[in-house]
Amino acid sequence: DTGVSQDPRHKITKRGQNVTFRCDPISEHNRLYWYRQTLGQGPEFLTYFQNEAQLEKSRLLSDRFSAERPKGSFSTLEIQRTEQGDSAMYLCASSFGSKTQYFGPGTRLLVL
Amino acid sequence: AQTVTQSQPEMSVQEAETVTLSCTYDTSESDYYLFWYKQPPSRQMILVIRQEAYKQQNATENRFSVNFQKAAKSFSLKISDSQLGDAAMYFCAYRRGGNQFYFGTGTSLTVIP
Repeated sequence: DTGVSQDPRHKITKRGQNVTFRCDPISEHNRLYWYRQTLGQGPEFLTYFQNEAQLEKSRLLSDRFSAERPKGSFSTLEIQRTEQGDSAMYLCASSFGSKTQYFGPGTRLLVL
Repeated sequence: AQTVTQSQPEMSVQEAETVTLSCTYDTSESDYYLFWYKQPPSRQMILVIRQEAYKQQNATENRFSVNFQKAAKSFSLKISDSQLGDAAMYFCAYRRGGNQFYFGTGTSLTVIP
């Protein structure tokens, strides 16, 4: 399967803990995006990378959130000191340039 | 700010019939892209169809077609000959020349056998 993959698929954590999610894009795609989707809502843009450079961040991305794409391939999204409001599906997508974005299966986070 | 509105939280269609999902958007840009994505239960988002704003011709992909009304800022999706596998949440999305997508709140489509 050469699609976008995300790990883990599900994560349950206690409030105050740190969590890290990983996204592996389609191999030839130079752009990588993170979105958050809460129940009953469409995905909301968080940030995107072109190669290893983080080019845009949403105001939704508080200082507890950090994303990296160190070698321009896979990316990680870390949430520090998780809060119950962070419970959501975190989606990753990739594209080649500004062409169509392809989405991964998402990581569902539940903060207790 | 760009907004995308899907006014139909839920829709249902009889198998083999046709259904239209509505989407309106707000923008001051003239160059942008519109998309319909499908999200089956517990499965990932899949692109259904895309439309470039500069193209007057409505996009078509097999049983899926759009009615793009640029002046009215309307972008509806028509699904013909509905199949059970079409049951999913459908999201309308807007993207301007940059990269940020704006999604609507989705329409849950049920296909009745």
